[in-house]
Amino acid sequence: GESVGLHLPTLSVQEGDNSIINCAYSNSASDYFIWYKQESGKGPQFIIDIRSNMDKRQGQRVTVLLNKTVKHLSLQIAATQPGDSAVYFCAENIPLALGQGGKLIFGQGTELSVKP
Amino acid sequence: NAGVTQTPKFQVLKTGQSMTLQCAQDMNHNSMYWYRQDPGMGLRLIYYSASEGTTDKGEVPNGYNVSRLNKREFSLRLESAAPSQTSVYFCASSEGQGPDTQYFGPGTRLTVL
Repeated sequence: GESVGLHLPTLSVQEGDNSIINCAYSNSASDYFIWYKQESGKGPQFIIDIRSNMDKRQGQRVTVLLNKTVKHLSLQIAATQPGDSAVYFCAENIPLALGQGGKLIFGQGTELSVKP
Repeated sequence: NAGVTQTPKFQVLKTGQSMTLQCAQDMNHNSMYWYRQDPGMGLRLIYYSASEGTTDKGEVPNGYNVSRLNKREFSLRLESAAPSQTSVYFCASSEGQGPDTQYFGPGTRLTVL
């Protein structure tokens, strides 16, 4: 069945270190992947995305890597800051129909804790 | 732009009561979605509306109904609330033209006693 899961439910890092959050997905038809950040009491906030025809995409302090061979996705955060503390979700997009949006399947989430 | 707004922010219901959660977006998006999030879990899709005038079931539709009132608004109704529906509900929207990013509202925290 469809599933997206995270290898590490919690991650604790020192301020200034790099963080890596991993995610596995199972649906070969997924064409688009998104990382969301969710702070306590708030809705998920878009961080970065990557389409299935790419294997790497960089943003400001964040990089997403996609390995379609092993169906693995990772989020790298450079120079992690206390403000990065949150739960991070990966989501895979299952296409609905040609030209339409898709259904997002979310992983369980990884809680990132940044120690000052 | 307010983005995606949801009302109410909090609600407590008794078992068997009904209520409607409201969602609106001002980004002229075609697609809208309702999710629920339970403790320690990711979001699960309840219903979605790919475009104005259409609605479809997601992963966990039982016990819910939806209405796409117009392009801006997408409501979620609980006809007879059950304790198992205690959750945080998120509405999202996206342009809906190919794979694209969904933008989320702040959520409604619902408790059913």
